Amino acid sequence: DAGVTQSPTHLIKTRGQQVTLRCSPKSGHDTVSWYQQALGQGPQFIFQYYEEEERQRGNFPDRFSGHQFPNYSSELNVNALLLGDSALYLCASTGLGQDTEAFFGQGTRLTVV
Amino acid sequence: ELKVEQNPLFLSMQEGKNYTIYCNYSTTSDRLYWYRQDPGKSLESLFVLLSNGAVKQEGRLMASLDTKARLSTLHITAAVHDLSATYFCAVDKASGTYKYIFGTGTRLKVLA
Repeated sequence: DAGVTQSPTHLIKTRGQQVTLRCSPKSGHDTVSWYQQALGQGPQFIFQYYEEEERQRGNFPDRFSGHQFPNYSSELNVNALLLGDSALYLCASTGLGQDTEAFFGQGTRLTVV
Repeated sequence: ELKVEQNPLFLSMQEGKNYTIYCNYSTTSDRLYWYRQDPGKSLESLFVLLSNGAVKQEGRLMASLDTKARLSTLHITAAVHDLSATYFCAVDKASGTYKYIFGTGTRLKVLA
């Protein structure tokens, strides 16, 4: 079992650009959550996808959007990048009602210059 | 709004010493998680605490949960250099939603 996998591992973008991050959940999991972790801070919940729909959302602007595919993999899109969007983006997957904890991927380090 | 606070934020300790990290949260929750994070890396799950009075131990680390006091502790026994990392507690906003609210983190440095 490959666990939760994210791609790419590192990414550098310019202010104003758009970026797409990808996440494949652990085998058997159907729910994907995304978190943003700025340097020196704890992760913050962005949103969660289940059955291809956004189920919960944290305090993030509409520039942050996502998608879940029929195979349960997910994308996080960020438009009009700001310097403050530089962070480690973590994906976590769960099998709703099956697990006692979410499983995190290795993260994508996004740097906006 | 659920808030999770950890203290201390920074901890520098000598090898062989004991110390406790505290995690307070503001609303009722019966699921609490502890993670370790090394610089530039993702989160490593340490403990899952699912009920009041839960206590779990792994090596030199022991975690406990008091849901009535809304408090969890992570106790370090006889610290070694390899324990140097940042430790986060996280609370599930509503049981089973897997919307985690993380604490501020405690950056631990164990000096040889």
